[in-house]
Amino acid sequence: EPEVTQTPSHQVTQMGQEVILRCVPISNHLYFYWYRQILGQKVEFLVSFYNNEISEKSEIFDDQFSVERPDGSNFTLKIRSTKLEDSAMYFCASRPGLAGAYEQYFGPGTRLTVT
Amino acid sequence: AQSVTQPDIHITVSEGASLELRCNYSYGATPYLFWYVQSPGQGLQLLLKYFSGDTLVQGIKGFEAEFKRSQSSFNLRKPSVHWSDAAEYFCAVGAPGSARQLTFGSGTQLTVLP
Repeated sequence: EPEVTQTPSHQVTQMGQEVILRCVPISNHLYFYWYRQILGQKVEFLVSFYNNEISEKSEIFDDQFSVERPDGSNFTLKIRSTKLEDSAMYFCASRPGLAGAYEQYFGPGTRLTVT
Repeated sequence: AQSVTQPDIHITVSEGASLELRCNYSYGATPYLFWYVQSPGQGLQLLLKYFSGDTLVQGIKGFEAEFKRSQSSFNLRKPSVHWSDAAEYFCAVGAPGSARQLTFGSGTQLTVLP
């Protein structure tokens, strides 16, 4: 069964450094998402991406964040200058984009630790 | 804006007992509702979904959920819990608009006693 994959599974970085989190959505899916979950808190939406552009973003997704689909398979989240509060589990998700097919499929997540 | 409330932070049941996890939503139109399960160190797995039609929906692993518009609820049920069901369960609602990004509840942690 096709699945969303994410790399790395765990990333440790120092405050102020740039990080790139990578995701390979399910093939033929058209909508891509990033969510994050700070330890002990709920899963929060960051951004959605469709047709090579951002379709929605939350207040969390400020100028420090960017997303890109550099080729036909990868979907990346970049944090330009990490802060301690960016430490969280980051989930990528995708969905087909067909009318009525709104369920999203999630990857296993990347745990980002900012020290 | 839409919101989801899961009033039970933690539920403990014995193996073989029935289970009901509560979910209430706030949404202006017909909601798109989901239940996801997260095992320790794992991602989010879709259990079931409701978009329209029959208000009782069946999902994987023997779970079902019932949509009650009058109560703004979408409670998850299972007649007989297995030890492997111990996990965190999240209810979510899809936003209006084409992106349909999800708003999640705060989750319910399920412990299963032998």
